[in-house]
Amino acid sequence: AQSVTQLGSHVSVSEGALVLLRCNYSSSVPPYLFWYVQYPNQGLQLLLKYTTGATLVKGINGFEAEFKKSETSFHLTKPSAHMSDAAEYFCAVSGDGGFKTIFGAGTRLFVKA
Amino acid sequence: GAVVSQHPSRVICKSGTSVKIECRSLDFQATTMFWYRQFPKKSLMLMATSNEGSKATYEQGVEKDKFLINHASLTLSTLTVTSAHPEDSSFYICSAREVGEQFFGPGTRLTVL
Repeated sequence: AQSVTQLGSHVSVSEGALVLLRCNYSSSVPPYLFWYVQYPNQGLQLLLKYTTGATLVKGINGFEAEFKKSETSFHLTKPSAHMSDAAEYFCAVSGDGGFKTIFGAGTRLFVKA
Repeated sequence: GAVVSQHPSRVICKSGTSVKIECRSLDFQATTMFWYRQFPKKSLMLMATSNEGSKATYEQGVEKDKFLINHASLTLSTLTVTSAHPEDSSFYICSAREVGEQFFGPGTRLTVL
């Protein structure tokens, strides 16, 4: 079974500041991990994913995440926040790369001018 | 990436009526599709897994007779909310699986008056 915990339902940063969104997972099998972004009244857009191989994963819009097995974490970062990054972010885990994906509760990112 | 569409994007209906939501994979065939429900400011809750040519697999607590799912072809799955009530108002999102990744539709906003 898989589960996901996102620490912090709301994160607020200033424009230009570092973005750090935390995600911890549990999985009984080697996990596939995902970060999605959702803008209001829209579906989900994949930011990045980890399947196997390199543990530092780069995604779209300057985001990246690092898979740390020892910490069961997959935190999302971006060096410099833009106003357009304000959205809801979901961390997700799957046991086989897409089947029955389990989502975290989401983190709302606010970016202050 | 692969494209998934949903129709309609928004629907308003009267209590007691039934509403059908379509999910289509536009440029790939999907033997498996998923239906999620998202409450305001909440995460996505998996409702059911739709399998082409067979019965859908519902998650615990989801009423099969309330939420009818049909996956008649490799590119189309439908969700019918029967005898809708105001508490069924929500954002419904489908996804389709291809090569180990899920692609999400833009969602359908259902409002039951």
